[in-house]
Amino acid sequence: NAGVTQTPKFQVLKTGQSMTLQCAQDMNHEYMSWYRQDPGMGLRLIHYSVGAGITDQGEVPNGYNVSRSTTEDFPLRLLSAAPSQTSVYFCASSPSEDYGYTFGSGTRLTVV
Amino acid sequence: RKEVEQDPGPFNVPEGATVAFNCTYSNSASQSFFWYRQDCRKEPKLLMSVYSSGNEDGRFTAQLNRASQYISLLIRDSKLSDSATYLCVVKANSGYSTLTFGKGTMLLVSP
Repeated sequence: NAGVTQTPKFQVLKTGQSMTLQCAQDMNHEYMSWYRQDPGMGLRLIHYSVGAGITDQGEVPNGYNVSRSTTEDFPLRLLSAAPSQTSVYFCASSPSEDYGYTFGSGTRLTVV
Repeated sequence: RKEVEQDPGPFNVPEGATVAFNCTYSNSASQSFFWYRQDCRKEPKLLMSVYSSGNEDGRFTAQLNRASQYISLLIRDSKLSDSATYLCVVKANSGYSTLTFGKGTMLLVSP
């Protein structure tokens, strides 16, 4: 059982480049979300989805897009990378809003 | 006042010690509470949910005081493997987006 799989694990981008962070879960969870974690800031919600075809913004959505075409996949797109987006990104899923989350192992992104 | 506040760390304790983590939350409408554990450079992992009546899982005990808007986590007989950052997580009464993480408190257990 793979759980939540994130790729890539590490990435370096130049300012202005775009890329997609992949997230897939095999637990048939309806709820998926993306967080970023920065030193001294805690985890902050970027975007979330409550099911295929349904997405919404979290606390810090600017500069990011998401889509949810299937239950399994929830990619996060950086439209034009900026140094302020240097962070560790975590994808998480849960079967419902009252259950705990399962997190992926994270993507460490550096924007230079 | 920050939404979820935790004790600043780190906590340095010897093996076998009892250690308590405290967390306060500002939204009185919060309904669900969790403690997560995060090892260095790893993802957060759910340690335990916190129920109104309090709950225990082995060496770990979680308590909730709604009147004071306060959550605690007690670890008894600390092990070296307990060294990690402990995150307090609070969810408001509706809406998936309203899960708020504290900044975490680091625990270092030494031999």
